[in-house]
Amino acid sequence: RKEVEQDPGPFNVPEGATVAFNCTYSNSASQSFFWYRQDCRKEPKLLMSVYSSGNEDGRFTAQLNRASQYISLLIRDSKLSDSATYLCVVNMGAGNTPLVFGKGTRLSVIA
Amino acid sequence: EADIYQTPRYLVIGTGKKITLECSQTMGHDKMYWYQQDPGMELHLIHYSYGVNSTEKGDLSSESTVSRIRTEHFPLTLESARPSHTSQYLCASSEYTSPYEQYFGPGTRLTVT
Repeated sequence: RKEVEQDPGPFNVPEGATVAFNCTYSNSASQSFFWYRQDCRKEPKLLMSVYSSGNEDGRFTAQLNRASQYISLLIRDSKLSDSATYLCVVNMGAGNTPLVFGKGTRLSVIA
Repeated sequence: EADIYQTPRYLVIGTGKKITLECSQTMGHDKMYWYQQDPGMELHLIHYSYGVNSTEKGDLSSESTVSRIRTEHFPLTLESARPSHTSQYLCASSEYTSPYEQYFGPGTRLTVT
């Protein structure tokens, strides 16, 4: 089983739609969780951290389910500029281990 | 914006040449990383460092080497470039303490002919 698994997509949605991505992770001792965004041929950029209580940043909501070992990202009112690949990222266990990046889910928002 | 820089941004070089890709950060981060990423594919960790004089190999077997003589500088060297090394190389850094989020440089796109 891969350490971090994501549906690769692509998700093709119209502007204004709500879209949700899920990600599962294998290590129950994982401590930190993030969503990164990567535009085509650019570097990944931190979108948001994911906290146990869930967190929201504008149109973006992230949630963590430790019991089922998955995290989710919800994007409301999709914009054309949201088109990108969204990477699920997990710190596996102890602090001094590198982050593990998922393969990413590609989102295309269509006018 | 993260203060992490990579040079060169683009490099086209012939087989057999020695290459050094530069990465510098001004955030005082202890941890630094090198990733390799082919277009449309996932990131692969090739090297990382948790501080000066500390280097570790990542998950992807790599013919490159790294050094960490100064906190802010983490160069990656290929002794003899091959076409199979053609890829994008991304450098990242993070603080030593939680929550460990990484900040990426803009990348070096390497083509070996």
